[in-house]
Amino acid sequence: DAKTTQPNSMESNEEEPVHLPCNHSTISGTDYIHWYRQLPSQGPEYVIHGLTSNVNNRMASLAIAEDRKSSTLILHRATLRDAAVYYCILTTDSWGKLQFGAGTQVVVTP
Amino acid sequence: DAGVTQSPTHLIKTRGQHVTLRCSPISGHKSVSWYQQVLGQGPQFIFQYYEKEERGRGNFPDRFSARQFPNYSSELNVNALLLGDSALYLCASSLDNTEAFFGQGTRLTVV
Repeated sequence: DAKTTQPNSMESNEEEPVHLPCNHSTISGTDYIHWYRQLPSQGPEYVIHGLTSNVNNRMASLAIAEDRKSSTLILHRATLRDAAVYYCILTTDSWGKLQFGAGTQVVVTP
Repeated sequence: DAGVTQSPTHLIKTRGQHVTLRCSPISGHKSVSWYQQVLGQGPQFIFQYYEKEERGRGNFPDRFSARQFPNYSSELNVNALLLGDSALYLCASSLDNTEAFFGQGTRLTVV
């Protein structure tokens, strides 16, 4: 599977938007882009996924670059509960084989 | 509905012993995957099972094995425990190629 690159950490103030970048320059045409997050002392939690088009759900938005070599997860109004490690993952054949990297630690300040 | 349940939540083992970890997937989910998460790192894929057959295996030694039962629950076995096997072991279930739902994990400490 292609690799992803994310910043180690990001800080945000509560109720402000958070833009989490992910670079995946070696992405293949069949790779889906997934985002999971892991709150302290919990298992990872699905956030969103996409292939080519931008996606929105109740948790976040996913903006995918036209060349698909990068994407951005957008948390529209950060809350303290959004403080977590966010993982950007590419998968092709099976979504049950997730290759996690180190992720981005998001810190939300009141 | 119950989520993915794992047992036990914590356990302590001695080097050289073996351990069995258990996972019950969400009802209707036929795919179960296992991950190891060492402190400070992201989870690392160990196994995936679908319909009782192994679908994938990560870069782990043969001391690690798993199986899936007819009711889709799963066991992860680790033999000849090493100190380095101390980690959080996570189980995830999914329908085929949909989002994965993770359990709270089993915290294994090897002393």
